[in-house]
Amino acid sequence: AQSVAQPEDQVNVAEGNPLTVKCTYSVSGNPYLFWYVQYPNRGLQFLLKYITGDNLVKGSYGFEAEFNKSQTSFHLKKPSALVSDSALYFCAVNDYKLSFGAGTTVTVRA
Amino acid sequence: EAQVTQNPRYLITVTGKKLTVTCSQNMNHEYMSWYRQDPGLGLRQIYYSMNVEVTDKGDVPEGYKVSRKEKRNFPLILESPSPNQTSLYFCASSFQGADYEQYFGPGTRLTVT
Repeated sequence: AQSVAQPEDQVNVAEGNPLTVKCTYSVSGNPYLFWYVQYPNRGLQFLLKYITGDNLVKGSYGFEAEFNKSQTSFHLKKPSALVSDSALYFCAVNDYKLSFGAGTTVTVRA
Repeated sequence: EAQVTQNPRYLITVTGKKLTVTCSQNMNHEYMSWYRQDPGLGLRQIYYSMNVEVTDKGDVPEGYKVSRKEKRNFPLILESPSPNQTSLYFCASSFQGADYEQYFGPGTRLTVT
C-alpha cells in the first residue's frame, strides 16, 4: 500500500486566491513529512518539513503546511497564490524509507 | 555553489547498450540516492547509499546497478537497458539520510528504443 497519497492530480486557482494542495499518509508512529516543488525542466526543490512540535510549519516562498495527526494529513497552503507558483508539488514521508506521492500539478491563472 | 550535477542531461540509446549516468555532489553529504520519475507514479527510489561503500535497494532496483567508491560520486549503471527504463532520472543527496532535506540534480531524460 502506498505510504503517501495526493488525492488531486490538478489544482487550479486564480492569482491572489488561497492555494491548498492535499496530502495524506498511512504510516504508523511519528513520521517525518516533506513538501517539494518541481518547476518545468528542473529538479525538485525542498519547501518544508515537519518533524515534531508545532502543527503549522512555515517554509520557503510563503508556503506553510498543517500537520493533522488524527486525519493523517499534511496539506500544503499558501494564503495568496502567484502565477509563479504554477508547478508540480510532491508530498513525501519518511518512515523507514522516503516515499513520494504521485504529485499535484498546480496552475495559477492571472 | 552547492549543487548536485548529473550527466548527461539527455540520452537516447538502444536496447542492450550499457550506459552510465554520473552524479556528483559538492556538499560533503553522506547520503545519496537515485529516483526515477514517471507520469502518475511520482518518484520511485531505485538505490540509495548511506555512506561510501554502503548501498541498498530502493523500491525499483531491477535492471540497475550503483557504486559508491567516493563520497561525492554515485553513478547509476544500466548494464542492458530496456524500453521500460525510459524515464526521467534524478540523483539526490542529503546530509545524513532520508530525514534530512534532499538536494536534487537537474535530471537525466533517458530514452531506450
